[in-house]
Amino acid sequence: DGGITQSPKYLFRKEGQNVTLSCEQNLNHDAMYWYRQDPGQGLRLIYYSQIVNDFQKGDIAEGYSVSREKKESFPLTVTSAQKNPTAFYLCASSIARLEAFFGQGTRLTVV
Amino acid sequence: AQSVTQPDIHITVSEGASLELRCNYSYGATPYLFWYVQSPGQGLQLLLKYFSGDTLVQGIKGFEAEFKRSQSSFNLRKPSVHWSDAAEYFCAVGPYGGATNKLIFGTGTLLAVQP
Repeated sequence: DGGITQSPKYLFRKEGQNVTLSCEQNLNHDAMYWYRQDPGQGLRLIYYSQIVNDFQKGDIAEGYSVSREKKESFPLTVTSAQKNPTAFYLCASSIARLEAFFGQGTRLTVV
Repeated sequence: AQSVTQPDIHITVSEGASLELRCNYSYGATPYLFWYVQSPGQGLQLLLKYFSGDTLVQGIKGFEAEFKRSQSSFNLRKPSVHWSDAAEYFCAVGPYGGATNKLIFGTGTLLAVQP
């Protein structure tokens, strides 16, 4: 079945550590996105990528990094510079300007 | 500034009652409009979308929405709510045209359904 797979579902990070969230899609979509979700704030765009080897910052990119070496993969690294990383992270993909399809999310908690 | 407003943070309806969730947007160009639904701890599922044409659009699970350009609104409706509709609902706006679908989301409306 086609879809978007995020892993892991739950992730715990110690202070000062970098962690990487995985996002893989087999929908053959060109564009991929990372959103952060906090209670009462909706979804905010972290990074997006239109094509392989190219990506742009979204509204809240500070403390995050991404790569897009393959069309189907768009991993997100939460660096130690992100001061408040505890959140629910959602990956999405789309064909150009059409509707975005979302993964099931990764819940990151700082311990 | 581009924005989406969902004025109702939390709504409770009785099972079988009708439902309307409000969405207003501010967008400088012709928008694409979407409604997504999210169950606890899950990703977002697309309910319906408006790109152009007929301003009343039908979606999955019996939902519909009406685009009113003069009011900058895209309200979601369902004539009879089922207990399984309890979830959080997000309205989103995206650019008409362009190579990506950078969505701007509202803050969501949490729907509770009473038996």
